[in-house]
Amino acid sequence: GNSVTQMEGPVTLSEEAFLTINCTYTATGYPSLFWYVQYPGEGLQLLLKATKADDKGSNKGFEATYRKETTSFHLEKGSVQVSDSAVYFCALTLPGTASKLTFGTGTRLQVTL
Amino acid sequence: NAGVMQNPRHLVRRRGQEARLRCSPMKGHSHVYWYRQLPEEGLKFMVYLQKENIIDESGMPKERFSAEFPKEGPSILRIQQVVRGDSAAYFCASSPGLEETQYFGPGTRLLVL
Repeated sequence: GNSVTQMEGPVTLSEEAFLTINCTYTATGYPSLFWYVQYPGEGLQLLLKATKADDKGSNKGFEATYRKETTSFHLEKGSVQVSDSAVYFCALTLPGTASKLTFGTGTRLQVTL
Repeated sequence: NAGVMQNPRHLVRRRGQEARLRCSPMKGHSHVYWYRQLPEEGLKFMVYLQKENIIDESGMPKERFSAEFPKEGPSILRIQQVVRGDSAAYFCASSPGLEETQYFGPGTRLLVL
């Protein structure tokens, strides 16, 4: 079946540190890939997406590249801020499945001063 | 343009009672998805609806759970005879069409005592 695996958290970083959150997937077919962010007490917000191999999604300084050969979509940011503290979810959809999202378990990021 | 609205934000029920969760999609969105997030887990797809139609309910438990999206009014997720294992955050998402980005509401956190 289809699945998404994320690195376990929590990830604790100092402000301005480099961030990587690993995400790998298993899917039949050619998925679209997403990163969502969930701030405390809120719903999920789409952070970025990529719909085909080698596409790079980017937003608010975050980037992720769709790597078909390694079935990965790792999230990176060069310099994190305290305001980036949240839970980050990697997810996929497959064509013809009515856009049902399959999520990873989430990675909690804590950024300290 | 108001985002996806869910109410109540928090709901407490005793075992055996009914829970009704409401979701008002964004203006102009006719596609609604419900997801459940169990503690320390990622979101799991439950059901996908369009106005007056259930399109995909492959993620819904076979008993006690039902969903509707009437022509007028919000989408409703109904859980009859709740049990402790139903305690979770229930998120609704809406989109303007198939294969388009889903926008999430803030969720309803259900606690069954």
